[in-house]
Amino acid sequence: AQSVAQPEDQVNVAEGNPLTVKCTYSVSGNPYLFWYVQYPNRGLQFLLKYITGDNLVKGSYGFEAEFNKSQTSFHLKKPSALVSDSALYFCAVSPVLRDTPLVFGKGTRLSVIA
Amino acid sequence: DSGVTQTPKHLITATGQRVTLRCSPRSGDLSVYWYQQSLDQGLQFLIQYYNGEERAKGNILERFSAQQFPDLHSELNLSSLELGDSALYFCASSVGGGGATNYGYTFGSGTRLTVV
Repeated sequence: AQSVAQPEDQVNVAEGNPLTVKCTYSVSGNPYLFWYVQYPNRGLQFLLKYITGDNLVKGSYGFEAEFNKSQTSFHLKKPSALVSDSALYFCAVSPVLRDTPLVFGKGTRLSVIA
Repeated sequence: DSGVTQTPKHLITATGQRVTLRCSPRSGDLSVYWYQQSLDQGLQFLIQYYNGEERAKGNILERFSAQQFPDLHSELNLSSLELGDSALYFCASSVGGGGATNYGYTFGSGTRLTVV
């Protein structure tokens, strides 16, 4: 069965500094990988996805993520953090060749301090 | 507005009671997924329906059931409620029947259930 680990419950970063939110996954075969963001009292919003191709994926709001197959990781990054990036971030995975729903990590709360 | 509509937004009920949560998927989406979000468990997959048929089942308790109707809206029924059932319940929809589509999922704003 597939699984996702987000090793950090909380990440704090100063505004203007680069940010990284970590995600590792376990899946049989090749993965579909996603990042979603959740703002207070809102549903999850799609940020970006990796399906195939270039290992560096660019998404919404200046975020990007790097797929590393050997390390089974899909870390979310942004070169310069904004206070408005403060939210809960979820990584999700599903195997490409199996018809199974997305499995989400427990989420990482990002706090950007002015 | 994501296009996925969940009602009600908030629900407070007593232990032992039964409630029904409703979800209307985004126009054109055939799959509906139900997830439970709690502080300690994160986002747990409960069940998926595709075009009226159950497609996948996750960590859904026997006290919980769901269905998808011909107009594609879905209902999640929670019965014999316990304090531990208090959580945010999300519905998501996607175009295809495959679990992970190229287009990802579109989430509703959730129903916050409080069992007292």
